[in-house]
Amino acid sequence: AQRVTQPEKLLSVFKGAPVELKCNYSYSGSPELFWYVQYSRQRLQLLLRHISRESIKGFTADLNKGETSFHLKKPFAQEEDSAMYYCAPNNAGNNRKLIWGLGTSLAVNP
Amino acid sequence: GAGVSQTPSNKVTEKGKYVELRCDPISGHTALYWYRQSLGQGPEFLIYFQGTGAADDSGLPNDRFFAVRPEGSVSTLKIQRTERGDSAVYLCASSFTSGTYNEQFFGPGTRLTVL
Repeated sequence: AQRVTQPEKLLSVFKGAPVELKCNYSYSGSPELFWYVQYSRQRLQLLLRHISRESIKGFTADLNKGETSFHLKKPFAQEEDSAMYYCAPNNAGNNRKLIWGLGTSLAVNP
Repeated sequence: GAGVSQTPSNKVTEKGKYVELRCDPISGHTALYWYRQSLGQGPEFLIYFQGTGAADDSGLPNDRFFAVRPEGSVSTLKIQRTERGDSAVYLCASSFTSGTYNEQFFGPGTRLTVL
């Protein structure tokens, strides 16, 4: 069965500290993986995707197929990073429905 | 330009009533998705449209749920005989195509409360 695990429901760090939000997936085929973010009172939006290998707002995520992980990292957290983060692989194939983790709430304290 | 819009933003209804939730996707987006998000959970896939047709409705929980997209643009999610367990935020997303990956853009959601 397709499954996404985000083990931390809440992650609290101080401003300037490194942050890592964990994501492990169990999936058949070759999914594309994404991180979506939801800031307070805003809608869900794409943060980054593994195929583009880019850094967005200082965040990066490396797909590790051996460990089936796609952890999100940032070396120096900022207060504006406080939000809900979701790891979501999509369905491999024509239907790109997203399979979601439970999400991790990141709180960056001053 | 305008993003995905959903109406109403909030809907309170009584158990057993019928509700309709509307989604206006971004103009030109051929793929449209409905997700449901219960409190403390991640979104859960309900149904996907490619154009006018429902290409995957495997996420609809039971036959009380139905969705249409008659002209390949606006979509309506319909829930009959609502139950308290249907209370959730219903999210709509659209993208240009699902043949190759394209970013899904989300609406603000409709918060449904069944009393």
